[in-house]
Amino acid sequence: NAGVTQTPKFQVLKTGQSMTLQCAQDMNHNSMYWYRQDPGMGLRLIYYSASEGTTDKGEVPNGYNVSRLNKREFSLRLESAAPSQTSVYFCASSNRDSNSPLHFGNGTRLTVT
Amino acid sequence: GNSVTQMEGPVTLSEEAFLTINCTYTATGYPSLFWYVQYPGEGLQLLLKATKADDKGSNKGFEATYRKETTSFHLEKGSVQVSDSAVYFCALRFEDSNYQLIWGAGTKLIIKP
Repeated sequence: NAGVTQTPKFQVLKTGQSMTLQCAQDMNHNSMYWYRQDPGMGLRLIYYSASEGTTDKGEVPNGYNVSRLNKREFSLRLESAAPSQTSVYFCASSNRDSNSPLHFGNGTRLTVT
Repeated sequence: GNSVTQMEGPVTLSEEAFLTINCTYTATGYPSLFWYVQYPGEGLQLLLKATKADDKGSNKGFEATYRKETTSFHLEKGSVQVSDSAVYFCALRFEDSNYQLIWGAGTKLIIKP
């Protein structure tokens, strides 16, 4: 009963380093999402994938890239990390309809020094 | 545009007090409405939802009624416990928003014994 699995849980990067956050879901959902959560800022959508083979920018896409590898997996890449990208990152998935809730992973806490 | 407004926190209550967290929305279509809860150090999880006017969602003693006439979806609980301390997010979702969730800013709830 895994749901949405994110790796890693914690990461510390130096400015300019790159990394990929991994996300996988086992609920056969069409849509997947990447959010960041900063203190006092709520949730902000970075990128989403409405269905396999498509990706679209959200509210704060700059500095990030994504890959929808297959229906299960949706990765988020930071090519050149900056301190402003210090945040908690959440992956989520859902069916593509109004009534379906999003299911969230437990998050990746990223610190960029 | 579409938006969700929640009461600002933190909201601090004593154990067994009555809870109301206000949520109002602006939407051009007919959204489904959700409340999510985030416990410390965890991802968001669905608390309850309502998909049409006058529906009442309920879970774990929490309730919220979809009021189309007042465009509101206030969260209530009759007697809160220390374990209810968390951040609560109101959100809406509908076809006109390309099925993206529109999030409120979140309300932190602190319950004192």
